[in-house]
Amino acid sequence: QKEVEQDPGPLSVPEGAIVSLNCTYSNSAFQYFMWYRQYSRKGPELLMYTYSSGNKEDGRFTAQVDKSSKYISLFIRDSQPSDSATYLCAMSGEGIKAAGNKLTFGGGTRVLVKP
Amino acid sequence: DGGITQSPKYLFRKEGQNVTLSCEQNLNHDAMYWYRQDPGQGLRLIYYSQIVNDFQKGDIAEGYSVSREKKESFPLTVTSAQKNPTAFYLCATITRLHGYTFGSGTRLTVV
Repeated sequence: QKEVEQDPGPLSVPEGAIVSLNCTYSNSAFQYFMWYRQYSRKGPELLMYTYSSGNKEDGRFTAQVDKSSKYISLFIRDSQPSDSATYLCAMSGEGIKAAGNKLTFGGGTRVLVKP
Repeated sequence: DGGITQSPKYLFRKEGQNVTLSCEQNLNHDAMYWYRQDPGQGLRLIYYSQIVNDFQKGDIAEGYSVSREKKESFPLTVTSAQKNPTAFYLCATITRLHGYTFGSGTRLTVV
């Protein structure tokens, strides 16, 4: 069993819909949780970064962490065709500021937003 | 690409051949990383370096080698010992503000 599980999709939604993505994990030591967006043939770019449980909102993006259930989510409101990409969750027991820090990634969910 | 340049974009390797992937950064960051990405498996850490002339193995270092002679450069060699090298390779640095910053990647294919 993988340490981080993520549905590979593809997840297809109409423009303007809410996109709901999630990951489950097994390592209770994870405290830092991240979501990355990756366009085809490009490197991932950081979207959201949260520490421990709770919610964080940034524009159209909301990240939720439920450590008791070992479950994290990313919601994208008013989705746009430009949101079509692969979304990767990542997590760590150490902060992302720590050099030498290693992230454990999910396999990514491919999202397609249709105009 | 946030100041990280990976080359080439596409690379083809013959069986038994060593190939070297380039990663250069102009961000003046100390720490650099190499990840491998396979479809549906997420990113896996190959090697990382926190300072010049020092590097550590990641989770899947077998069949790979690195060097860190300059702060700006962290090349990755895929040796013939790596039995399944076809993958997308990503180089990254880490910053206090933005966490990991990735390059655009090199797609390596065995022919």
